[in-house]
Amino acid sequence: SQQGEEDPQALSIQEGENATMNCSYKTSINNLQWYRQNSGRGLVHLILIRSNEREKHSGRLRVTLDTSKKSSSLLITASRAADTASYFCLYDKVIFGPGTSLSVIP
Amino acid sequence: DTAVSQTPKYLVTQMGNDKSIKCEQNLGHDTMYWYKQDSKKFLKIMFSYNNKELIINETVPNRFSPKSPDKAHLNLHINSLELGDSAVYFCASSPRTAGGNNSPLHFGNGTRLTVT
Repeated sequence: SQQGEEDPQALSIQEGENATMNCSYKTSINNLQWYRQNSGRGLVHLILIRSNEREKHSGRLRVTLDTSKKSSSLLITASRAADTASYFCLYDKVIFGPGTSLSVIP
Repeated sequence: DTAVSQTPKYLVTQMGNDKSIKCEQNLGHDTMYWYKQDSKKFLKIMFSYNNKELIINETVPNRFSPKSPDKAHLNLHINSLELGDSAVYFCASSPRTAGGNNSPLHFGNGTRLTVT
């Protein structure tokens, strides 16, 4: 299977803490994207990082990419209860990681 | 003015029936996709169409047949439904073809299919 892996599968933190999720993939990629899925909803695009980039920021989000290790991480700083959701990495448009379920406790 | 809309939102049906899920996007995108999300939240690509032409067809049973009457619509028809087809089906669109380009996907809110 080409499907990558994400860890942790589930993460529970207190509001204000940082949350880090990791994604590993198996193929060579052109870009890697991160999405958020709130319960019962569709996925929402968060950030895209290209294969020639190592780090990218968007608000409280920071994404890193290590193509030599075929891995990416998503850091959410100063988490809020509203960040509670599942987070997925997607590479080359068609392959999703299994996702990390994040719970932010107020 | 929903960007990607799917109907119905919920679909409950019996084994053996035939059903369709409709998807429409008003973003002017060229490419549309169907994804299946199972009970463990794993997401898997099923099909992708670019300008009404099939470009991705993953290993899905041929009971599933996508139909794209125009580039704004990609419907999913499922014949002889089985219990294992129960899942949430997501439609998505993007401005260009898959692989090699850097545009994000825009998702609908999903259709929860329950086969009894």
